[in-house]
Amino acid sequence: AQSVTQLGSHVSVSEGALVLLRCNYSSSVPPYLFWYVQYPNQGLQLLLKYTTGATLVKGINGFEAEFKKSETSFHLTKPSAHMSDAAEYFCAVSEGDSGGYQKVTFGIGTKLQVIP
Amino acid sequence: DAGVTQSPTHLIKTRGQQVTLRCSPKSGHDTVSWYQQALGQGPQFIFQYYEEEERQRGNFPDRFSGHQFPNYSSELNVNALLLGDSALYLCASSLATVANQPQHFGDGTRLSIL
Repeated sequence: AQSVTQLGSHVSVSEGALVLLRCNYSSSVPPYLFWYVQYPNQGLQLLLKYTTGATLVKGINGFEAEFKKSETSFHLTKPSAHMSDAAEYFCAVSEGDSGGYQKVTFGIGTKLQVIP
Repeated sequence: DAGVTQSPTHLIKTRGQQVTLRCSPKSGHDTVSWYQQALGQGPQFIFQYYEEEERQRGNFPDRFSGHQFPNYSSELNVNALLLGDSALYLCASSLATVANQPQHFGDGTRLSIL
C-alpha cells in the first residue's frame, strides 16, 4: 500500500530564505508524485508533478522538487521565500490499482509560515 | 476554460440530517474523486467515479454515497450526519483514471454539523 510522510507539520522561514519541505513516500510500484498548495478557504492547486524522466522537476512560483528513488523522497524547495508563499503544502503519491484506476494518497500537509 | 466548480460553498446541518454536495468537473475531464479534509488534516479519499460508476472507495461508511451523471458532474450524499462529518469536502477531476494525471480541485464545500 502506498503512503506519504511529510516531516514537519509547521515550518517557519524568513523572507528570502531557502524553503525546504520534506516528503517521503512508499509505493509498491514506480510512483507518480505531486506537490499541491492550499491557500486558506481554497482547494488544492498543483505546484508540480513527477511522472517519468528528469528527476528534478520545476513547478510554478519558483518551486522545484527532486525525485530520489534511493531515498524514497520528493522534497520541495524554493531558493528564496516570499510572503505570498505562506500556505499549506501537500505531497501526494499516485499509482494505479489492480483495476487500472488511479489511487491518490495525500500527506498530512506542512503549513509554511514566512516571517518578514 | 472553467475549472472544477462545487456547490454550495458553505452548509450548516444538524446531526441526523442528510446532505447533498455537487461538483462539476473541469471541461474535458471525465473522472471525479471526492475527498474529506478535516481541520488540520490532509485530504482523505472517499470515492472515485468514472463512467457513472463508483470505481474505488476509501475507508468511509456507506452513509457516504455518490453519483455521476452522463455529463460527468457528480454528487456526494451523506446520510445520518454526525458531528465528525464536519469538514471541507473537496471534489477533484481528472482525465480518465490514469495514475500519472494530476487532479484538479475545486474550492470545496465547508460542511458544519451542529
